[in-house]
Amino acid sequence: DVKVTQSSRYLVKRTGEKVFLECVQDMDHENMFWYRQDPGLGLRLIYFSYDVKMKEKGDIPEGYSVSREKKERFSLILESASTNQTSMYLCASSFRLADTGELFFGEGSRLTVL
Amino acid sequence: GENVEQHPSTLSVQEGDSAVIKCTYSDSASNYFPWYKQELGKGPQLIIDIRSNVGEKKDQRIAVTLNKTAKHFSLHITETQPEDSAVYFCAAPPGSGTYKYIFGTGTRLKVLA
Repeated sequence: DVKVTQSSRYLVKRTGEKVFLECVQDMDHENMFWYRQDPGLGLRLIYFSYDVKMKEKGDIPEGYSVSREKKERFSLILESASTNQTSMYLCASSFRLADTGELFFGEGSRLTVL
Repeated sequence: GENVEQHPSTLSVQEGDSAVIKCTYSDSASNYFPWYKQELGKGPQLIIDIRSNVGEKKDQRIAVTLNKTAKHFSLHITETQPEDSAVYFCAAPPGSGTYKYIFGTGTRLKVLA
């Protein structure tokens, strides 16, 4: 089975702190994604990576950056956390040339910024 | 760009009844429409999808229908069971050949025993 692992299920940080959210997938997927999930807003794409060291902005990239130094690992970085970044963060991966574009999600990282 | 609207936001049904969730999309070039189910404490998981060259697809108790002219697609769950209780998301790509899906806002389905 495909496994997408997010290193932290729950984090509590203070305003202004630098936050790293780590995601690892074990299926050699080219594509990796970071989504933010908020009630009533669904899933919104923050950043997308289609290869090592390649990245594209999603719909809400402001306040975030990403790093993909290895194919299996995609990190989301909050340079200076703010309270409006309190949310559930979901990592996903997929094959670039799959017949379907099925996304495989991790279990999420719930971040609270105080 | 693509816009996906999903209704209703919450849905309660009696066990054994059917549930229907509807989504509309705006980009006529969109060609792939997945549905994801998110159980409590877990990430979303694909349950069924449909491509724009077919009008309906079934998998046991779940089905998806697509109306390209009206630009809407629906998830149908028959003979609902308590384990169907979850949040369901529809999605559509902005155009074809992209995996950067736009998700609907989600429907919380409660199946009452």
